[in-house]
Amino acid sequence: NAGVMQNPRHLVRRRGQEARLRCSPMKGHSHVYWYRQLPEEGLKFMVYLQKENIIDESGMPKERFSAEFPKEGPSILRIQQVVRGDSAAYFCASSPAQDSYEQYFGPGTRLTVT
Amino acid sequence: AQSVAQPEDQVNVAEGNPLTVKCTYSVSGNPYLFWYVQYPNRGLQFLLKYITGDNLVKGSYGFEAEFNKSQTSFHLKKPSALVSDSALYFCAVRDRDYGNNRLAFGKGNQVVVIP
Repeated sequence: NAGVMQNPRHLVRRRGQEARLRCSPMKGHSHVYWYRQLPEEGLKFMVYLQKENIIDESGMPKERFSAEFPKEGPSILRIQQVVRGDSAAYFCASSPAQDSYEQYFGPGTRLTVT
Repeated sequence: AQSVAQPEDQVNVAEGNPLTVKCTYSVSGNPYLFWYVQYPNRGLQFLLKYITGDNLVKGSYGFEAEFNKSQTSFHLKKPSALVSDSALYFCAVRDRDYGNNRLAFGKGNQVVVIP
């Protein structure tokens, strides 16, 4: 059973460009979570999605950031007009159901904004 | 609100000695508690969890953790550390409120096991 997959693993963008991060949950998992890890900090929750629904986006910045989890295909975290402060590792996690306890994490996408 | 504190930046321990990584938490209600480990350039791997029941929980790779409600702590322990245990360890908490699936993480502890 393949784990959570994220691509790309490394992404370099110039200021003002768009970044698209993809996450494919584990097989059978319909719940996806995005977290951001800034240098020297722990992971911070961003957004929680089920198929075609955003359940909790309380950790998402108000502007430039959006997320989706369509009926078919991976979950996408989109960052428009990136700035240097967006440089971080972005981790996706998945779980099989809402009342599942542990979340299973992908390897992360390391975004560098130059 | 939910939060985790991991007070030490780095934990150094000699191979074969006991390993302890400290964690305290804060939640409005009752907690679900987790430990994850991160190896360089890898994602987080689940180690163990406390949901309910016995305060001492056992997890992967010989690790265990003890839930202490009065001290709001969930320290991670291993009786005999291995060099391969050198990694970054994260404690996480989730409030038991239904529908709150957010994990709040501590900033992590770097564990260095010295041969």
